[in-house]
Amino acid sequence: QKEVEQNSGPLSVPEGAIASLNCTYSDRGSQSFFWYRQYSGKSPELIMFIYSNGDKEDGRFTAQLNKASQYVSLLIRDSQPSDSATYLCPLQGYSTLTFGKGTMLLVSP
Amino acid sequence: DVKVTQSSRYLVKRTGEKVFLECVQDMDHENMFWYRQDPGLGLRLIYFSYDVKMKEKGDIPEGYSVSREKKERFSLILESASTNQTSMYLCASSTPYGGLAGRASTDTQYFGPGTRLTVL
Repeated sequence: QKEVEQNSGPLSVPEGAIASLNCTYSDRGSQSFFWYRQYSGKSPELIMFIYSNGDKEDGRFTAQLNKASQYVSLLIRDSQPSDSATYLCPLQGYSTLTFGKGTMLLVSP
Repeated sequence: DVKVTQSSRYLVKRTGEKVFLECVQDMDHENMFWYRQDPGLGLRLIYFSYDVKMKEKGDIPEGYSVSREKKERFSLILESASTNQTSMYLCASSTPYGGLAGRASTDTQYFGPGTRLTVL
């Protein structure tokens, strides 16, 4: 059974700070790792994906992958109140994604 | 841009009714998915389809069935709705092709806006 573990939060950070979100996963066979953002009452939307060890940057977002330790993280620099949402890091299966419960991020002005 | 649409944003039905939830995608994606999302439980996969007329059970298929007669359309059916099927239902689509170029990779799932179903 593939599993992904996330701290449900809420993670509270002040505006302008760096928010750090983490996921650990159970399956060494996954090739790609995703980060989705879900605002309250809305559907998940893709932030970025990462498939090789190391860092991948996209604007204020940096994804970090460590396959040996089986974790993936997301750093949000200069956090804004509009970043307040639940963040999901699904585990890739064979054409499917297994979602954890997500981490709620609250950015206070 | 990928667009996934769902037939209703809000739906109220009575126990025992047959309920149809429709999903349409316009990106010629091979894969389509139905999830339900409940507070504290996250997104759970009900069924998915990787081709027309093909379907696979997800983690919680009991009480549901699906239909995929055309590539762009995937329907979720509640044969006899029950109160424990009150939930947010999300449809998604993806393609197994395209590689790892650009912002999205193979198997990136694109979600519809969701249908909030209440069964009384």
